[in-house]
Amino acid sequence: GAGVSQSPSNKVTEKGKDVELRCDPISGHTALYWYRQSLGQGLEFLIYFQGNSAPDKSGLPSDRFSAERTGGSVSTLTIQRTQQEDSAVYLCASSIGGLTDTQYFGPGTRLTVL
Amino acid sequence: AQKVTQAQTEISVVEKEDVTLDCVYETRDTTYYLFWYKQPPSGELVFLIRRNSFDEQNEISGRYSWNFQKSTSSFNFTITASQVVDSAVYFCALSEALHGSGNTGKLIFGQGTTLQVKP
Repeated sequence: GAGVSQSPSNKVTEKGKDVELRCDPISGHTALYWYRQSLGQGLEFLIYFQGNSAPDKSGLPSDRFSAERTGGSVSTLTIQRTQQEDSAVYLCASSIGGLTDTQYFGPGTRLTVL
Repeated sequence: AQKVTQAQTEISVVEKEDVTLDCVYETRDTTYYLFWYKQPPSGELVFLIRRNSFDEQNEISGRYSWNFQKSTSSFNFTITASQVVDSAVYFCALSEALHGSGNTGKLIFGQGTTLQVKP
């Protein structure tokens, strides 16, 4: 398991439902990032974790979005009361330490909100 | 403000042609990193190169080469003798790396250039 893994790979949900997206970073990587890729907005930063804390949540688009990281490893991005504009590919990346290190990306979760 | 511009939305070439993907960036910091990632049709972003702002040496890796010019704030990527497998979306990205300035290493991406290499 050398790379970043994400689950599920695809998620279809109905408007108004909550969804959870999971990211398993590369083992030993302390920094974890979530990004969103959508047709209209390109690739956008959402949130950054260093260990279990999130010093930068500036990219979360609304208070319906939240994320946590436990044990300095797995992270979960939760979207409450999903809207159609939340449809996108959600990408997770990890790096060894953060600031100056290369980020390696997972395969993403494609979220479709009907 | 930090910004990355990839003016070329789509490029189409015939196999074995050379192709250059342009990237222009804006940043307030003197310490930063530039990256190129490849996104093939499978969707996963694949890291290609990282360059810090103090290293302006050009780099070559096989058929790939990168030209970093601080004077023009550009970090262009050239594929020599393109192949069909090079078809993908290519993203240029910037991260500000000055410690103690609230930087977190988050990537600012350009809009991407779709490269199609025809046989």
